[in-house]
Amino acid sequence: AQSVTQLGSHVSVSEGALVLLRCNYSSSVPPYLFWYVQYPNQGLQLLLKYTTGATLVKGINGFEAEFKKSETSFHLTKPSAHMSDAAEYFCAVSERNNNDMRFGAGTRLTVKP
Amino acid sequence: DTGVSQDPRHKITKRGQNVTFRCDPISEHNRLYWYRQTLGQGPEFLTYFQNEAQLEKSRLLSDRFSAERPKGSFSTLEIQRTEQGDSAMYLCASRPTGTTEAFFGQGTRLTVV
Repeated sequence: AQSVTQLGSHVSVSEGALVLLRCNYSSSVPPYLFWYVQYPNQGLQLLLKYTTGATLVKGINGFEAEFKKSETSFHLTKPSAHMSDAAEYFCAVSERNNNDMRFGAGTRLTVKP
Repeated sequence: DTGVSQDPRHKITKRGQNVTFRCDPISEHNRLYWYRQTLGQGPEFLTYFQNEAQLEKSRLLSDRFSAERPKGSFSTLEIQRTEQGDSAMYLCASRPTGTTEAFFGQGTRLTVV
């Protein structure tokens, strides 16, 4: 079965600094990969996804992620952090032949002024 | 609002009581998912419907939990004889067949006292 590991439960950056949130996945078949953001007491909002094709995926709010099959990674980046980026971020994987999306434990991003 | 709607947003109940949550998916989304999210963790898959058929259940879904989706529209999740360990955020998501993006509701936060 597929699984996701998010390295670092908390990441703190200064406003304007690079954001890097790490995600490694395990899947026996080609995966679909997702990043979601969650604000306090809210549901999850999709930031971006990888299904097929280009391995560098651009999402909303200036975020992007690169699918690296050789490293089984799908790290999320943003060149310049904004205060409004402070939230919980979840990486998720879904195998193409089933419907069960598995989430990582999440990374809480703090942005310092 | 055409997003996924969950009701209630918050529920406080005494241990041993039964509770029922409702999810209204985006219309024409034939796939509906329930997840449970505990504090500091990512969402955990509970169950999945395609139209009115419940096609997959996680081992997390004990016999105290039951989910239905009559007529393939809204869904309900019932927890009988609630326990303190049931305290969590219960998230509902929906998506159309043939797509990869799941849209999440804002969740129902259950507190068992």
